[in-house]
Amino acid sequence: EVQLLESGGGLVQPGGSLRLSCAASGFTFSNYATSWVRQAPGKGLEWVSVISASGGSTYYADSVKGRFTISRDNSKNTLYLQMHSLRAEDTAVYYCAKTYSSGPRGYFDHWGQGTLVTVSS
Amino acid sequence: DIQMTQSPSTLSASVGDRVTITCRASQSISTWLAWYQQKPGRAPKLLLYMASGLESGVPSRFSGSGSGTEFTLTISSLQPDDFATYYCQQYNSYSQTFGQGTKVEIK
Repeated sequence: EVQLLESGGGLVQPGGSLRLSCAASGFTFSNYATSWVRQAPGKGLEWVSVISASGGSTYYADSVKGRFTISRDNSKNTLYLQMHSLRAEDTAVYYCAKTYSSGPRGYFDHWGQGTLVTVSS
Repeated sequence: DIQMTQSPSTLSASVGDRVTITCRASQSISTWLAWYQQKPGRAPKLLLYMASGLESGVPSRFSGSGSGTEFTLTISSLQPDDFATYYCQQYNSYSQTFGQGTKVEIK
């Protein structure tokens, strides 16, 4: 069974940093691209970033470019999102989502349960 | 970035109704479109991919159509479990985008 388990969320002050993790199991992690998708309270889904299966290609939404960095450790079956210069508008539930293919473009066939990031003083 | 616009934003319907949700792309995305269902407090669930491909385990009352810039999600006979919010997503470009969502409410 495919499982994606996010962790690392919490309360952080504006301008602060946080690193999210997503532990994957039940599939060959190194064969699939993976994304972060977020959802602000009461709002819709916003794609944040994607990394290819090998880690060689990464893409970001304009809203986080230059502040967030996506990475992966295929030896640990883990996806990361390093977030810097956090703003109130980054407050959201952050989901880890597995893409159906190895390349960075694709639909998300499995999702984690999400981790809440709250940016507030 | 490609903008995705769903309509309506909210839809009130009764059990047994046929329901149609529309998703329009700001430029052609061929059939690189997926649909998701999300219930409160839960992660989204994939329903359809490539505009009309039904994900394994999803009931056949869900169907999708369209190509280019206009797409539809149809629920042939609305069931109690279907009251939720539905999102379209384009994956034609590396910067993937979602529609704003359509909430299907009980009439």
